[in-house]
Amino acid sequence: EVQLVESGGGLVQPGGSLRLSCAASGFTFSNYAMYWVRQAPGKGLEYVSAISSNGNSTFHAKSVEGRFTISRDTSKNTLFLQMDSLRAEDMARYYCARGAGSGWYRKDYIDHWGQGSVVTVSS
Amino acid sequence: QSVLTQPPSVSGAPGQSVTISCSGSRSNIGARYEVHWYQQLPGTAPQVIIYDDTNRPSGVPDRFSASKSGTSASLTIAGLQAEDEAVYYCQSFDRVVTASLFGGGTKLTVL
Repeated sequence: EVQLVESGGGLVQPGGSLRLSCAASGFTFSNYAMYWVRQAPGKGLEYVSAISSNGNSTFHAKSVEGRFTISRDTSKNTLFLQMDSLRAEDMARYYCARGAGSGWYRKDYIDHWGQGSVVTVSS
Repeated sequence: QSVLTQPPSVSGAPGQSVTISCSGSRSNIGARYEVHWYQQLPGTAPQVIIYDDTNRPSGVPDRFSASKSGTSASLTIAGLQAEDEAVYYCQSFDRVVTASLFGGGTKLTVL
């Protein structure tokens, strides 16, 4: 059974940093692209960051470019999102998600989601 | 505002059919990139219900179907049931953004 378990969320002041982690199990982690998708309270889904299966290619939405960094550690089957210079508008539930493997990682659909980790940005 | 435009809400009575639209442009749906649909039940993570325009993952009832034409796509839910009440999102690749985008979401209310 595929499992994605996020951790690392919490309360942070504006300008602060957080590192989200996503522990993956139940599949061969190195074979799949991975994503972070966020959802602000009462809002829709936003595609934040993506990383290819081998980790060599990444994408970040313009809203987070230069502040967030996605990475993965295949030896630990873990996905990360380093979030720096956090702003109030970054406050959201952050979902870790797995690509289905049906094509280029930036086009792929998501076939498994974690339950999310909540990030609160407030002074 | 999302590049993929969905109506904020739709509603229907049990047993009826509803259609949710996803309006894009020549840089995404109109460029023949695949469209995927997700269902997000209250308090849960989204789940894919349609992938690659018209395909249903195993376990998704055949009451759910989708189509695509020109710069738009649509999701149809036939024989509405109370359990279908959720928010539905479309997703497609955009060649200007060079990444996938989600529509703004449509809340389905079963009357």
